Amino acid sequence: GEDVEQSLFLSVREGDSSVINCTYTDSSSTYLYWYKQEPGAGLQLLTYIFSNMDMKQDQRLTVLLNKKDKHLSLRIADTQTGDSAIYFCAERGLNTGFQKLVFGTGTRLLVSP
Amino acid sequence: DTGVSQDPRHKITKRGQNVTFRCDPISEHNRLYWYRQTLGQGPEFLTYFQNEAQLEKSRLLSDRFSAERPKGSFSTLEIQRTEQGDSAMYLCASSLSPGGVNQPQHFGDGTRLSIL
Repeated sequence: GEDVEQSLFLSVREGDSSVINCTYTDSSSTYLYWYKQEPGAGLQLLTYIFSNMDMKQDQRLTVLLNKKDKHLSLRIADTQTGDSAIYFCAERGLNTGFQKLVFGTGTRLLVSP
Repeated sequence: DTGVSQDPRHKITKRGQNVTFRCDPISEHNRLYWYRQTLGQGPEFLTYFQNEAQLEKSRLLSDRFSAERPKGSFSTLEIQRTEQGDSAMYLCASSLSPGGVNQPQHFGDGTRLSIL
C-alpha cells in the first residue's frame, strides 16, 4: 500500500522557524495536507496543497511540495510555545481510492521558551 | 459552523462488551469518514459514507464493526464483542463534495476507547 513517512521529533526555540518534512510514495497524489493534533484532541486542518502547486503560504505557514521527489515540507515561522503539538502529513490520491487520507506517523514538535 | 461532534469523548468497557459511538458531522457535509488512531500512530481509514450510502470499507473493519448513517446526517460506529486490540481513538471527519469535487476533511475530537 501507499506510505507516508515523517521524522518523529523536532525541537526548536521560541521565535525560531520550524521545518517539518514528509515523504510519500503515492505517485497519484492529488492533495497533500498538514494537520495538527494537541494532546487528547482531534486533528485540526492547518493547510493543504494541490499537487500541481509547488508552494503555498498562509500567514506563518509555508508549504513546499517537490512532486518529483515526493517530498512535502511545512515551515512555521516565528514558532510559539502554543505550536507544540504533533503534526501529521496526509495525502489523498487515485492509488488509495481517492477518498481516504493516508497519514504519516506524525512529528512531535516541542517549542521551548 | 459548530464543527464535527463526537460522543462520548471517552469510553471504558470490559472485554466482550458492545460499544457504540456517535458522530455528528458539520451541517450539510455530505461525506462522513471514520478513522482509528492507536498510540503513537497516525489515523487509519476505516470507512466512509456519501450521504447515507457506505461506499468503502477498509480491511481493518472486521465483522465485529458496523457503521451506519441512516438519514445521511449523523453516523454511528458499533463494535461488538470488544477485544483488547480495539483500544484506540476513533475519529470522525466530514467533508463537502459539491459536484464531486472533494473539499478537505474536518475532524472531531474523537472517542477514546479503553478495553479493560
